[in-house]
Amino acid sequence: AQSVTQLGSHVSVSEGALVLLRCNYSSSVPPYLFWYVQYPNQGLQLLLKYTSAATLVKGINGFEAEFKKSETSFHLTKPSAHMSDAAEYFCAVSADLSGGYQKVTFGTGTKLQVIP
Amino acid sequence: GAGVSQSPSNKVTEKGKDVELRCDPISGHTALYWYRQSLGQGLEFLIYFQGNSAPDKSGLPSDRFSAERTGGSVSTLTIQRTQQEDSAVYLCASSLEWRGGRETQYFGPGTRLLVL
Repeated sequence: AQSVTQLGSHVSVSEGALVLLRCNYSSSVPPYLFWYVQYPNQGLQLLLKYTSAATLVKGINGFEAEFKKSETSFHLTKPSAHMSDAAEYFCAVSADLSGGYQKVTFGTGTKLQVIP
Repeated sequence: GAGVSQSPSNKVTEKGKDVELRCDPISGHTALYWYRQSLGQGLEFLIYFQGNSAPDKSGLPSDRFSAERTGGSVSTLTIQRTQQEDSAVYLCASSLEWRGGRETQYFGPGTRLLVL
């Protein structure tokens, strides 16, 4: 079984401040990890993904995430928040299974508010 | 190129009526997914297609829900005898193929269903 936990359903930061959105995962096999962003009234868009290559993954719009196996974490960061970053962010996990597949499991999301 | 499209974008129906939700995946994508996003909750996996077959229907909430995909392209999610708890945003996604969850999913804008 696999799961993700996103700490904080709402996060507020000031414009220009560091963005840190937390995600912890649980997986019995090496995971694939994703961050998706959802702007109001839109579908989800992939920000970045980890698929067992480099542990520091850079994504679009200046976001990056670091895979830390020892902490079972995949936190999303951005050095300086912009007003356009206000959205809901979803962490997700998947994995390979021998002889089968593992569907992607999404977290419950974190809404990011950017204060001018 | 064109992304994933869904129709209708909004649907209001009366309790007990049937509804059909349509998804047009990205051309050439063989994998197609349906999710349900309820207010304040994450994405709930409903069903997945690889080609025209659906190996995993375990996410469908009840036998009132069904989905089909014909010609390896368009998919329809049908909800019979709708209930108020079916009110949610129904998201469709597609990916190039199923490869153990590593594939990036491309999401449509969703259908917002309101059951009165």
